[in-house]
Amino acid sequence: QVQLVQSGAEVKKPGASVKVSCKVSGYTLTELSMHWVRQAPGKGLEWMGGFDPEDGETIYAQKFQGRVTMTEDTSTDTAYMELSSLRSEDTAVYYCATDLNGGYLYYFDYWGQGTLVTVSS
Amino acid sequence: QSALTQPASVSGSPGQSITISCTGTSSDVGTYNLVSWYQHHPGKAPKLMIYEGTKRPSGVSNRFSGSKSGNTASLTISGLQAEDEADYYCCSYAGSSSVVFGGGTKLTVL
Repeated sequence: QVQLVQSGAEVKKPGASVKVSCKVSGYTLTELSMHWVRQAPGKGLEWMGGFDPEDGETIYAQKFQGRVTMTEDTSTDTAYMELSSLRSEDTAVYYCATDLNGGYLYYFDYWGQGTLVTVSS
Repeated sequence: QSALTQPASVSGSPGQSITISCTGTSSDVGTYNLVSWYQHHPGKAPKLMIYEGTKRPSGVSNRFSGSKSGNTASLTISGLQAEDEADYYCCSYAGSSSVVFGGGTKLTVL
């Protein structure tokens, strides 16, 4: 059983950056393909990017390229998602999500509890 | 990538069956058998209900089933129960290691 525990809520000003963490327990991060999904208020789920197990690279959704960086610290089994140049439209709940099948089937059966990021001046 | 198209809302009475459609393109739903469905209650993490188009994870009721025809995937919930009231999202592999979600459907149990 995998558990994903995310960092707490953040309030940021426009133009700032935010870094959300996702601590893995039950498995090691190297056994998983971690992805990040967000949900803005009143909006649907939106995939931001994730680990591609085929080539070992991280793939970002076109919408976020240049503004998002997803990293991993395998020594602590913690994944990070950093979003820069924040604007009000980035106000959302951010989730880390993964599966236990190596990430080749692109579904997510384990999710973090979500981290609310509020962007406000 | 453009979001997959879902109806904004569907409703049904307890005991009835409902179907939620999810329309994509030949670049995602139509090409890959990698559609998943998620149940999302406000304030909670999404829950996987169907993966690889038709498979149910352990613990998910067999009242939930998935199917696909062409560029459209569907989630059917039979024997509706009050606890099924939630938002439902489809999701598909879209090639080049990317994923796309649908806009979501609000299910109301009358």
